[in-house]
Amino acid sequence: AQSVTQPDIHITVSEGASLELRCNYSYGATPYLFWYVQSPGQGLQLLLKYFSGDTLVQGIKGFEAEFKRSQSSFNLRKPSVHWSDAAEYFCAVATSNTGNQFYFGTGTSLTVIP
Amino acid sequence: DAGITQSPRHKVTETGTPVTLRCHQTENHRYMYWYRQDPGHGLRLIHYSYGVKDTDKGEVSDGYSVSRSKTEDFLLTLESATSSQTSVYFCAISEGLTNTGELFFGEGSRLTVL
Repeated sequence: AQSVTQPDIHITVSEGASLELRCNYSYGATPYLFWYVQSPGQGLQLLLKYFSGDTLVQGIKGFEAEFKRSQSSFNLRKPSVHWSDAAEYFCAVATSNTGNQFYFGTGTSLTVIP
Repeated sequence: DAGITQSPRHKVTETGTPVTLRCHQTENHRYMYWYRQDPGHGLRLIHYSYGVKDTDKGEVSDGYSVSRSKTEDFLLTLESATSSQTSVYFCAISEGLTNTGELFFGEGSRLTVL
């Protein structure tokens, strides 16, 4: 069965510092992987996605993620965090079967301190 | 923004009453989903649809039913609401993984069951 693990429930970083959010997945076939961001009281917005090809993918707002098949990981990174990046971040894996289901991790809450 | 409208946006109801949440899309996307979001659990898939009258269960389908009689509408029904169904419910749509694969979210419906 497919699953997504985000081991860090909450992370605090200083503005301008680098960021890495961890994501591990479990899925038997080639994964479709996503990172979404949710600001307070809002819906979710796509940051980036990986389907195939280059394992380092670029997204919006200066985020990038690297797919590592050997580690079943898809970690999200940003070299310099801005106060506006404070939000909840969700990693997701999608299945390529009939329903194209998307399964989400439990999320990582990011706090940015000045 | 993707044309997704959820209604109602807020609802308070009593245990044992039926509740229907509506998701309406103007994008003509094939796939539609209902998720619930709870603290510590992230987003969990309730039901999904891969076409008109084609629906299936997700991770947490007990106590919920869905219907999709038109491409644009996906209804989620709680036949007899319980306090454990107090949650924020998100509808999402997708063209499918063979297209852009992106999942677009509605703004959410906050349901409180007293």
